[in-house]
Amino acid sequence: AQKVTQAQTEISVVEKEDVTLDCVYETRDTTYYLFWYKQPPSGELVFLIRRNSFDEQNEISGRYSWNFQKSTSSFNFTITASQVVDSAVYFCALLAARGSTLGRLYFGRGTQLTVWP
Amino acid sequence: EADIYQTPRYLVIGTGKKITLECSQTMGHDKMYWYQQDPGMELHLIHYSYGVNSTEKGDLSSESTVSRIRTEHFPLTLESARPSHTSQYLCASTKPGQGYNEQFFGPGTRLTVL
Repeated sequence: AQKVTQAQTEISVVEKEDVTLDCVYETRDTTYYLFWYKQPPSGELVFLIRRNSFDEQNEISGRYSWNFQKSTSSFNFTITASQVVDSAVYFCALLAARGSTLGRLYFGRGTQLTVWP
Repeated sequence: EADIYQTPRYLVIGTGKKITLECSQTMGHDKMYWYQQDPGMELHLIHYSYGVNSTEKGDLSSESTVSRIRTEHFPLTLESARPSHTSQYLCASTKPGQGYNEQFFGPGTRLTVL
């Protein structure tokens, strides 16, 4: 079974603060892929990153960084120097290799991030 | 940037009406998906398609139906809408090849059934 847990339902920070969004996943597959999506108030989901299970190297893209740790089954997302435009719901998602032909994603419940000016 | 479109963006209808939510993509993607998302909740897969004339039900039971007559078009139909169908419906697609490519999402349709 595939499962993604985002324990933080809501987070509020003040602009310029750093914030980390937690994601814990469960899967029995040895090959899998992890994703982060952003859902702004307009409603569409915006793809942020995809990592495969064989690549535990952390990644940085501007103010965004991701920490993938297989030992703790976590794929956490950090925003450095947050901005008001970062306010959105952020979803972590899992895709297991056995379902790769289909591309079926399993989503967490999302974390609502609010950045105050 | 992904080109995937959904219409209407917002729809308020009465119980018992038949509705069709439109989803189109111009990227030539073979795989397409419909998700249902209630407020504050995760997305649940309700339908998917590998390609033309291929449709399957997803994890979440849904009274809706879909069709895939053309690659670029994946409409979702509710024969008789009920208040329990009130939700946001998101359409997505993935480019050809292995399904682990990222999914591109449309803007969604917010449906309210009175």
